[in-house]
Amino acid sequence: EAGVAQSPRYKIIEKRQSVAFWCNPISGHATLYWYQQILGQGPKLLIQFQNNGVVDDSQLPKDRFSAERLKGVDSTLKIQPAKLEDSAVYLCASSLGSGRESPLHFGNGTRLTVT
Amino acid sequence: DAKTTQPPSMDCAEGRAANLPCNHSTISGNEYVYWYRQIHSQGPQYIIHGLKNNETNEMASLIITEDRKSSTLILPHATLRDTAVYYCIVRVGGSNYKLTFGKGTLLTVNP
Repeated sequence: EAGVAQSPRYKIIEKRQSVAFWCNPISGHATLYWYQQILGQGPKLLIQFQNNGVVDDSQLPKDRFSAERLKGVDSTLKIQPAKLEDSAVYLCASSLGSGRESPLHFGNGTRLTVT
Repeated sequence: DAKTTQPPSMDCAEGRAANLPCNHSTISGNEYVYWYRQIHSQGPQYIIHGLKNNETNEMASLIITEDRKSSTLILPHATLRDTAVYYCIVRVGGSNYKLTFGKGTLLTVNP
């Protein structure tokens, strides 16, 4: 099966600019996650979707970050305006369901550098 | 979710078994132990999970102590491609599956 697709692979922007990341999950996967991974740390969950509804966005900085999952398939994560501390790898993951028997499948991420 | 403790780094010789420990002394009865790994410049990859019993799949074995306060991930014949950060995660079973990652263990397999 095709894996989780993310684009772009790399992005460099200046602070206060905006940026968007795209994710195409594995076909048929109902649950989609966005994680942020800062260098040297484990990934941190930003937002979780079940189909096109938000399940958990408690750690999403909503003043600058937004995410949507139209039609319950693809998803975009946007940052506006970006700050230096947003430099990180943004990982998208999907799973068949939301229970323990549905492992997460991760994409290879988008590496964002904010200068 | 219960907190886990892992050594920051470990070395292993190629072809030998790699045994990665994880302490989760505050684990609750309904919390599962999950292992993921992350190879450099890639996203995390699911390895295995368990509740009480030992588990084995094509990638690894998971040994959970009887009191469930610690576990060991075993890679039976480590290869250079197993060099990665290994994450041990415990979470409550049921719905709303999400993972809370720590810093993990960097396993380096040496030729």
